[in-house]
Amino acid sequence: AQSVTQPDIHITVSEGASLELRCNYSYGATPYLFWYVQSPGQGLQLLLKYFSGDTLVQGIKGFEAEFKRSQSSFNLRKPSVHWSDAAEYFCAVGAYSGNTPLVFGKGTRLSVIA
Amino acid sequence: DSGVTQTPKHLITATGQRVTLRCSPRSGDLSVYWYQQSLDQGLQFLIQYYNGEERAKGNILERFSAQQFPDLHSELNLSSLELGDSALYFCASSAWDSVTGELFFGEGSRLTVL
Repeated sequence: AQSVTQPDIHITVSEGASLELRCNYSYGATPYLFWYVQSPGQGLQLLLKYFSGDTLVQGIKGFEAEFKRSQSSFNLRKPSVHWSDAAEYFCAVGAYSGNTPLVFGKGTRLSVIA
Repeated sequence: DSGVTQTPKHLITATGQRVTLRCSPRSGDLSVYWYQQSLDQGLQFLIQYYNGEERAKGNILERFSAQQFPDLHSELNLSSLELGDSALYFCASSAWDSVTGELFFGEGSRLTVL
């Protein structure tokens, strides 16, 4: 079964600074990888996803993530953080099977300070 | 707005009681997923329905049950409630039953058991 680890529970960055959120997965085959964001009081919204091909994927809101098979990682990055990026970020891993739902990490809470 | 509607948004009840959470998926989506989000467990997959049939089952307690109706809306029934059932319950929908499809999340139903 697949699993996801997000090592950082809470990260604080200054507005305008760069951001990297870490995600490590465990899965025997090629995974499908996702990053979701949850703003306060809201449901989760898909930021980006990786299925195959180019290992650097672009998402919404200026986010990107890089799949590194050798490190079993799928880290999320943004070059310049805005105050509105403060939210909870979830990494998720899936498998190509109708009976295998997405498995989510426990999330990383991002705080942005002026 | 994801197009997924969950009711009620908030629910406060007592131990031993039974509640029903309702989810209307995005128009045209055949799959409905239920997730439980708590501080200690993170996002836990409960159950998935596809076009009225149960497709996958996660760590759903026997006290919990769900169904998807012909109009594709879904209900999650929680009975003999315990304090530990207090959580945010999310419904998500997707067009297909494969996780390669994006999940669209509702805003959640926050259950408080006193």
